[in-house]
Order: sequence, then structure tokens, then C-alpha cells
Amino acid sequence: SQQGEEDPQALSIQEGENATMNCSYKTSINNLQWYRQNSGRGLVHLILIRSNEREKHSGRLRVTLDTSKKSSSLLITASRAADTASYFCATSKSTFGDGTTLTVKP
Amino acid sequence: AAGVIQSPRHLIKEKRETATLKCYPIPRHDTVYWYQQGPGQDPQFLISFYEKMQSDKGSIPDRFSAQQFSDYHSELNMSSLELGDSALYFCASSPVVGNNEQFFGPGTRLTVL
Repeated sequence: SQQGEEDPQALSIQEGENATMNCSYKTSINNLQWYRQNSGRGLVHLILIRSNEREKHSGRLRVTLDTSKKSSSLLITASRAADTASYFCATSKSTFGDGTTLTVKP
Repeated sequence: AAGVIQSPRHLIKEKRETATLKCYPIPRHDTVYWYQQGPGQDPQFLISFYEKMQSDKGSIPDRFSAQQFSDYHSELNMSSLELGDSALYFCASSPVVGNNEQFFGPGTRLTVL
């Protein structure tokens, strides 16, 4: 399967804490993208990391990519209640993982 | 900035009816992708087009067909609708030049009764 797989499937933290979500994939990729989706809403692109990059930052987001392990992580620092959503990784093969549901408690 | 436009935003159909979903990509984007997301499920890739030709095919049922037109908009045609077709259908577009970052539309919510 080419599907990315996120873990954990669900994560519940307090506001201000950091949240780390992981994604694994099985095929070679050109890039990997992280998306956010609020319940019943559209997908919002967060960040794209290319296969030749190891780490990328965007605001409170930090993404790492380890192509040797075929894995990526998304770190959200200083989380806020508004970060509550599902987070998906998707590979350049247009396949999405199951997503991590993040709940940030105020 | 212009975004991906999908129409209609909501659609209610009965079993065995047909439905057509439309997607208008961001200007100068020539690649279009279609995804289906069932309730509580992750998005599933259906099909993609590049320069009006099918470029990749995922888990699209035989009852569905799609095409990309000369103005790069795309339509997803769904026939003999089943209850299980109820889902959010997303379209995304990307420019051929660049890193294939996909820009998603707001989705069409299809409900089959």
C-alpha cells in the first residue's frame, strides 16, 4: 500500500502544550504534504516538504522528513484550542493517511 | 487570490440517479485531482488529469467518469448513485511547474437518499 499512515490516531492535549504527529509511507516520494481539516470542512494545506529537505518551519509548525525511514513528523508548538482538527499527511502519489485527530483543551 | 472553485457545494440525490460535480482550478493550474472522503474517513484519491488527459487513476468506481475540458475545468460524473456514495468530494489543482503542491477546493457534499 502506498498509503501514508499517521500516528497517533487521536491526541488530546492542553492549550500551550506541544503536539507531535507522525506519518509513515511506503513508496518513494518527491514531496510530502501536511493538511488540516476541521470537522466536515475542506482540507487546508499546511506545509510541503521536499524529499531533499530534512526540516521545514512555518510559524508554529515544524515538519521533519526522514526518507531513509520513510517517515515524517508534524510538531505544533504552543498549541491553541483553535488547532483542534484532523491532520493528514499526503505523499506525492496523492494518497492520504488516516489522519490524527487533535483535540486541544482550553 | 483565486482559489479552486467547486460546484455545487451541496447536492442531494436519490439512489440510481446521476450527479455531475464541477471543478474550476486555479488559473494557470493544468492538473486537477478528485478525491472522495466518506464520513469519518480519510480522503481517497479517485482520478487526476493533466492537460486534459487522465494522468493517474485511483479508487474510482466504474460508475464514475471524469474529464478535463479545454479551459482546464473538470467534471466528475456519477451514475447509478448508491447510498455509499454519500461523501465529500474534493477537487484540487496544481501547476505542472513547481513541486506539485495541491490546492484544494471547499468540496461538494453529496447526499444520496
